[in-house]
Amino acid sequence: SAVISQKPSRDICQRGTSLTIQCQVDSQVTMMFWYRQQPGQSLTLIATANQGSEATYESGFVIDKFPISRPNLTFSTLTVSNMSPEDSSIYLCSAWDRGRSGGGYTFGSGTRLTVV
Amino acid sequence: GENVEQHPSTLSVQEGDSAVIKCTYSDSASNYFPWYKQELGKRPQLIIDIRSNVGEKKDQRIAVTLNKTAKHFSLHITETQPEDSAVYFCAASPEEGGYNKLIFGAGTRLAVHP
Repeated sequence: SAVISQKPSRDICQRGTSLTIQCQVDSQVTMMFWYRQQPGQSLTLIATANQGSEATYESGFVIDKFPISRPNLTFSTLTVSNMSPEDSSIYLCSAWDRGRSGGGYTFGSGTRLTVV
Repeated sequence: GENVEQHPSTLSVQEGDSAVIKCTYSDSASNYFPWYKQELGKRPQLIIDIRSNVGEKKDQRIAVTLNKTAKHFSLHITETQPEDSAVYFCAASPEEGGYNKLIFGAGTRLAVHP
């Protein structure tokens, strides 16, 4: 099965600063997906990252706040910019795992962000 | 866009009982329906999924059923064990294969009491 390595696992940041989260997949994938999971809540899609093109953002999320890079088929970054306490959440990346029987979307281990 | 509703939000059962979680979706174009289990502090783990050309799928103690006409699908866990305690999420997507996003339900917190 595909493994997605995500880092950092957690961070505490000052408001107004930015944090870049990295995800590395151990196999090539066409799309990578970035989700936010607020405490006790479900997963909300932030954007879809396709290598070689700009990311596609969901309603309520904008590129200036959450810039995404996708330099190759195994790597992506999400930056949370100009952070405020409302950005405190878990951020997860996801991709399709072809190695799993029948396939399926798998997730990175998540980044727990606290903004103070 | 797709909207997925999930019920109940919490479910408490005795060990050995069955648990059923239900989801409905709005977009008739959805064809792939996975279920995830998320333990506290951990990433969501895919436990079972179903495609639109299948009505039911089983894997040991868990099963998923799909009714495309009614646009609903359900997760069934039999002979529940304390280690089944977790939050379960249903999701829907227009297709499998990694080219389309998943839309998640709100989640069900399952507690299995010994």
